[in-house]
Amino acid sequence: DTGVSQDPRHKITKRGQNVTFRCDPISEHNRLYWYRQTLGQGPEFLTYFQNEAQLEKSRLLSDRFSAERPKGSFSTLEIQRTEQGDSAMYLCASSWTSGGASNEQFFGPGTRLTVL
Amino acid sequence: QKEVEQDPGPLSVPEGAIVSLNCTYSNSAFQYFMWYRQYSRKGPELLMYTYSSGNKEDGRFTAQVDKSSKYISLFIRDSQPSDSATYLCATFTGGFKTIFGAGTRLFVKA
Repeated sequence: DTGVSQDPRHKITKRGQNVTFRCDPISEHNRLYWYRQTLGQGPEFLTYFQNEAQLEKSRLLSDRFSAERPKGSFSTLEIQRTEQGDSAMYLCASSWTSGGASNEQFFGPGTRLTVL
Repeated sequence: QKEVEQDPGPLSVPEGAIVSLNCTYSNSAFQYFMWYRQYSRKGPELLMYTYSSGNKEDGRFTAQVDKSSKYISLFIRDSQPSDSATYLCATFTGGFKTIFGAGTRLFVKA
């Protein structure tokens, strides 16, 4: 059984560089979410996909952030021109819905980004 | 005001104690309530999931929701050192956006 996986687990970059993270959800899950978590805080919603469609983006997601989920499988989150304030844990989660209201999300281990 | 408020702790208890973790929320439209456990440097894992008001029990864990006071609780009986983690309450309206509290850090001393 494979849960949600994320790659890389850690990323250190210099300010101004671009970074890309990958998330592989649980295979039968049709929903995929990205969150950002800073120290001492809970995860904050960034964006959400149902299959390949990006249905919602948080106001936290500036123009420097872009997410894709081609073919409704894995997803990537790219941050362009990174800033020190982007340093955080980026969490991916997935869930399955068949039209019901359940939204039990299963989280990956996260990618910890440090911007120097 | 945050939509979900949670005391960040830390909360330190001796092994075997009953632990009570609590959150309040502001939006009466929230219907689904979850508790996640997060170990250091790991992603959150779902512990308990409840709908509307009432109690739900799973082993040593009991989740309680009081919609009239917008208060949610997690009780841990016979706490163990392995329960030491951050506990996050979360809620959503039935759509997709889950809103988390800040998390309470729990330390269970052997």
